[in-house]
Amino acid sequence: QSVLAQPPSVSAAPGQKVTISCSGSRSNIGDNYVSWYQQLPGTAPKLLIYENNKRPSGIPDRFSGSKSGTSATLGITGLQTGDEADYYCGTWDNSLSVHWVFGGGTKLTVL
Amino acid sequence: EVKLVESGGGLVQSGGSLRLSCAASGFTFSSYSMNWVRQAPGRGLEWLTYISDSSTTIYYADSVKGRITISRDNAKNSLYLQMNSLRDEDTAVYYCARTDYTDDDAFDIWGQGTMVSVSS
Repeated sequence: QSVLAQPPSVSAAPGQKVTISCSGSRSNIGDNYVSWYQQLPGTAPKLLIYENNKRPSGIPDRFSGSKSGTSATLGITGLQTGDEADYYCGTWDNSLSVHWVFGGGTKLTVL
Repeated sequence: EVKLVESGGGLVQSGGSLRLSCAASGFTFSSYSMNWVRQAPGRGLEWLTYISDSSTTIYYADSVKGRITISRDNAKNSLYLQMNSLRDEDTAVYYCARTDYTDDDAFDIWGQGTMVSVSS
């Protein structure tokens, strides 16, 4: 069981929009920035969103992030078949000892 | 080009030890904190450990604390992970990742990973 809860899978048609949720607690999402990562099959993870809603250079504006309280959301618009991947949220957790936590991951299928 | 390249993975017997390395290039290694993250076959990402730019701050995941040691050599632009008392469940791809932004709050550069297989 991951400290950050994500849906195991989501799906949508090409061109449509999808959202992926990430639910935590005050000690992690509530008190820290959230980042999102895309992992295409057989490759290393790639940073998509940092500090809740900022995109690194080169990440298209089809990808967006938001945070409210102890939850965060990744949004992807204009879905493409190349977006099929696993998506992970992550943040620091300050409970007991300082450590980083990832969500369990969400498999996006573009139908 | 900003790059991280892991090495040192392989097949090891249960109870054995292994030292992974991560070679950094294309950026000022000594200015960034670094991490190790692993991914077991078919599973999600698991953060293992963090080391600050000058090695003054180190964090470990409870799941591996006492069995792993992170270190770095800024003169060699290298990051290391010493793993001892290896178990079957340590079988995974091990990634090094750079942390950046305001409070080291995201992993912005990842290596390609090195596979560690533990056999009993």
